[in-house]
Amino acid sequence: GENVEQHPSTLSVQEGDSAVIKCTYSDSASNYFPWYKQELGKGPQLIIDIRSNVGEKKDQRIAVTLNKTAKHFSLHITETQPEDSAVYFCAASIGSNYQLIWGAGTKLIIKP
Amino acid sequence: GAVVSQHPSWVICKSGTSVKIECRSLDFQATTMFWYRQFPKQSLMLMATSNEGSKATYEQGVEKDKFLINHASLTLSTLTVTSAHPEDSSFYICSARTLRPDNEQFFGPGTRLTVL
Repeated sequence: GENVEQHPSTLSVQEGDSAVIKCTYSDSASNYFPWYKQELGKGPQLIIDIRSNVGEKKDQRIAVTLNKTAKHFSLHITETQPEDSAVYFCAASIGSNYQLIWGAGTKLIIKP
Repeated sequence: GAVVSQHPSWVICKSGTSVKIECRSLDFQATTMFWYRQFPKQSLMLMATSNEGSKATYEQGVEKDKFLINHASLTLSTLTVTSAHPEDSSFYICSARTLRPDNEQFFGPGTRLTVL
């Protein structure tokens, strides 16, 4: 079945710098790749997603890139701010119900 | 964006009692809702997929008689933890999938269940 690997598990960056989180997936049939931000004690919040017919998508300080050949996708956050501190999850969608297969998560720490 | 609510946000119950958690999509219709369980510092674990009007599909290892799921309408799904035990204590999160063409999943705020 589908497997999603996410790296790094923890990422600490200086405020204002960029952060990059990477994920790889195993099933070439996956066609939808969302990224979620989860703050402590809350449910995940969809922050950006990309579909397999697109290579890159950007929304203000957040961007996602997809390399279908290599089966990996990345989240890029520029000009990081303290409120970006959270756990970020990548996922890949598969199946008729669009079930999500989740990465293990990355704890992003923004140092002031 | 689409809004999903969960109720209650937290609950404490005695061992052996049953607890019902509601998940509602407030501003969209969801043919499919998902129930997850999350342990501290871990990723989300899918428990079951719920389609409106039909029986839920449970993931391997999830007891369907213990975790009863009802998806009675396009905006409401419920999870009932029956005869709860301390090991059922966890963070339960639901999500709802929007209809085509986007098929995005939006999550509720989660329910913290503590079984004494």
